[in-house]
Amino acid sequence: GQQLNQSPQSMFIQEGEDVSMNCTSSSIFNTWLWYKQDPGEGPVLLIALYKAGELTSNGRLTAQFGITRKDSFLNISASIPSDVGIYFCAGRNTGGFKTIFGAGTRLFVKA
Amino acid sequence: DTEVTQTPKHLVMGMTNKKSLKCEQHMGHRAMYWYKQKAKKPPELMFVYSYEKLSINESVPSRFSPECPNSSLLNLHLHALQPEDSALYLCASSQVRQGLNEKLFFGSGTQLSVL
Repeated sequence: GQQLNQSPQSMFIQEGEDVSMNCTSSSIFNTWLWYKQDPGEGPVLLIALYKAGELTSNGRLTAQFGITRKDSFLNISASIPSDVGIYFCAGRNTGGFKTIFGAGTRLFVKA
Repeated sequence: DTEVTQTPKHLVMGMTNKKSLKCEQHMGHRAMYWYKQKAKKPPELMFVYSYEKLSINESVPSRFSPECPNSSLLNLHLHALQPEDSALYLCASSQVRQGLNEKLFFGSGTQLSVL
């Protein structure tokens, strides 16, 4: 079945630094989603991407849908302590109900 | 309003108990989902309802019984669970539109502990 490879697995950064994480797939997706999850809470949708090459921003977050439709990246600029959490990428296809999730990137920010 | 509401927030139950998890959304979404999530792992799909009918059952044990009473509500009935069923149970919803990819919105989850 479809799988997503998300990297890095974890990141330890200093407050103010920029962060980049990515997901790659062996098959194409029509939609890429990026979520952030805090402990004991549900994933919160950060950015949704629908077109190959699409670049979308949400505040300090920027995500891109890869041209090949097999990858996506998420950048966080000027990180702050509240950025701490687990970031999941996810892929979906037209007409399907299944969302494929990456394993997550655990972000730690030191003030 | 992009909110999916789940109750209870926390639940502790014995292996002989019967309990239910509840989920509600008022975004007009016609697809609703149950996911199970273990610590430090991504969510795993359990069930999908589309237009109040069960569309997907990911080979979930019968001790988990989903129910979709109407387009806004989704329940998960629990009976004779095992300690390994302890996890965060997430409800989610999305629109169902032919040819369109829709966003998947999650609730805040029910943290279930089976003793």
